[in-house]
Amino acid sequence: AIRITQSPSSLSASTGDRVTITCRASQGISSYLAWYQQKPGKAPKLLIYAASTLQSGVPSRFSGSGSGTDFTLTISCLQSEDFATYYCQQYYSYPQGFGGGTKVEIK
Amino acid sequence: EVQLVESGGGLVQPGRSLRLSCAASGFTFDDYAMHWVRQAPGKGLEWVSGISWNSGSIGYADSVKGRFTISRDNAKNSLYLQMNSLRAEDTALYYCAKDKSGEGLGAFDIWGQGTMVTVSS
Repeated sequence: AIRITQSPSSLSASTGDRVTITCRASQGISSYLAWYQQKPGKAPKLLIYAASTLQSGVPSRFSGSGSGTDFTLTISCLQSEDFATYYCQQYYSYPQGFGGGTKVEIK
Repeated sequence: EVQLVESGGGLVQPGRSLRLSCAASGFTFDDYAMHWVRQAPGKGLEWVSGISWNSGSIGYADSVKGRFTISRDNAKNSLYLQMNSLRAEDTALYYCAKDKSGEGLGAFDIWGQGTMVTVSS
């Protein structure tokens, strides 16, 4: 199975900061990577798919990059509503898998 | 309105079985692959199983292979997860999720609110 390593597991940031989260796959997955945001008590929400394509309705401050094994989610100017947990997911092959998550907290 | 509604969760003893259902509405169900994803209390997301639009391609996490069976009924716009030989470590909130593709090679753009499964004696 393809392993997904996400880092950091948590970070503290202030409103207006630029935030970067990374995911590394144990083998190449082309661009079959997605990013999700989850707030407490809520279902995950798709932000980015195909490594860099913004899901409809998602603010443009979110962006994704990478291909192969290394991927990045960037929030260019953190807003109060962005404090949440973020997950990456590989859907290149079964069994699919998620990264361990990154909790973005208020500094 | 595009919607997924899970049901069938509850408290069950170790070794017993449970069947989860997911009712879909607001989109053409038989055009898309579907998945089950679970989240243990306070933990991260774990992909459990996926099924293509025509049930021709199915996958399972190693942790549930041989115990869980995914299926779908396109005539009823419904997805199912038959869970046998349940263990304490299967305790989690189980989400139903819609794939952006028909074959299961897409991200998950629609999620239900989840149904809780608790395995305990």
